[in-house]
Amino acid sequence: DAGVIQSPRHEVTEMGQEVTLRCKPISGHDYLFWYRQTMMRGLELLIYFNNNVPIDDSGMPEDRFSAKMPNASFSTLKIQPSEPRDSAVYFCASSRHFDRAMNTEAFFGQGTRLTVV
Amino acid sequence: AQKVTQAQTEISVVEKEDVTLDCVYETRDTTYYLFWYKQPPSGELVFLIRRNSFDEQNEISGRYSWNFQKSTSSFNFTITASQVVDSAVYFCALSEMGSGNTGKLIFGQGTTLQVKP
Repeated sequence: DAGVIQSPRHEVTEMGQEVTLRCKPISGHDYLFWYRQTMMRGLELLIYFNNNVPIDDSGMPEDRFSAKMPNASFSTLKIQPSEPRDSAVYFCASSRHFDRAMNTEAFFGQGTRLTVV
Repeated sequence: AQKVTQAQTEISVVEKEDVTLDCVYETRDTTYYLFWYKQPPSGELVFLIRRNSFDEQNEISGRYSWNFQKSTSSFNFTITASQVVDSAVYFCALSEMGSGNTGKLIFGQGTTLQVKP
């Protein structure tokens, strides 16, 4: 399997512009997670989906952030309008439903480094 | 409340030394999982190990070993005979099983390990 695939790897945009980050989870995984990593706050969960349905978006910082999962193989995280404080590395991860007999840990993509100037 | 504490911000050792990374967690759940992830300089998050709250048996994998002690709420990670390639940021993480998955993670702040030749 190719693993979790994120695009783009790097994004530089100007303040006020819309930014869309993309993620393709591992086939067969029914959970998808978006995390953000910053120096100040570390790694924090923004939102996660189960079977394409958003389950917990309590980590989404503001209404400027939105996430969708239109099908089992694709998700987007959108920031509109972007601000310099949104600069961070955004990770997408996927996992199976919990099963003690199986390896159900989350696998992470390589991340998107976002810089808002 | 759930919390993961990695008190060591940075550790520097010389190659071939043994090093232990500390992790202390807090949770009110009786069923949970603990994880260690590695983030090398290239930036991706690499899964290392998962332990569940019912299994306190220590684990060894090559030069890596993990010591899980529920009595002290600790899940420490030891690298034996460290190598330069072990240089990375190491994250300890907690997942409570109420969400039905192991991808909803609470991360510690990470420990940066530098192994000098």
